[in-house]
Amino acid sequence: NAGVMQNPRHLVRRRGQEARLRCSPMKGHSHVYWYRQLPEEGLKFMVYLQKENIIDESGMPKERFSAEFPKEGPSILRIQQVVRGDSAAYFCASSHGEGARYGYTFGSGTRLTVV
Amino acid sequence: AQTVTQSQPEMSVQEAETVTLSCTYDTSESDYYLFWYKQPPSRQMILVIRQEAYKQQNATENRFSVNFQKAAKSFSLKISDSQLGDAAMYFCAYKNSGGGADGLTFGKGTHLIIQP
Repeated sequence: NAGVMQNPRHLVRRRGQEARLRCSPMKGHSHVYWYRQLPEEGLKFMVYLQKENIIDESGMPKERFSAEFPKEGPSILRIQQVVRGDSAAYFCASSHGEGARYGYTFGSGTRLTVV
Repeated sequence: AQTVTQSQPEMSVQEAETVTLSCTYDTSESDYYLFWYKQPPSRQMILVIRQEAYKQQNATENRFSVNFQKAAKSFSLKISDSQLGDAAMYFCAYKNSGGGADGLTFGKGTHLIIQP
């Protein structure tokens, strides 16, 4: 069991470009969560998805950010027209059911640098 | 909204000694979960210990234990017999019980240094 796989591990984008971050959950997990970690900060919840559905996107910026978790394939966090303030580590976690009860498994994150 | 506060940005302890990391939280809920996560330089978030608020008994995992004080909204982590491999950032996290919104609320973390 490979755990939660995130790629790429590092991503560099110029201002105005698009960033696509991928997350493959653990086998058998149908719940995916995205978090953002700014330097010297804890992780901040962004969005919670189940297969083909967004359950809670209360932590997602209203503009430029979107997430999906299609029936087949990984979950994608997309950031359009990136700005310097988007530079951060983005973490994905997955769970079998309700995360707090069944446990969350985190990936190693994608570090996005906007130049 | 719930908040989690870790008042110690950095802690240092001698190898084999015991160290306690502090965490307080604010919530109006009565049923919730609390977690401690470890983040080594590899960035991987590793679950250290988990506590369910309705359980009065403090959770324990080998050398790691918590002191859960529900009335005081305090959830400290004690690491006994500290080892060099314990060096990492430690994050306290909170999660409401129940379905719907399912995100964890994290504190800002404590950087734990182990001195040989």
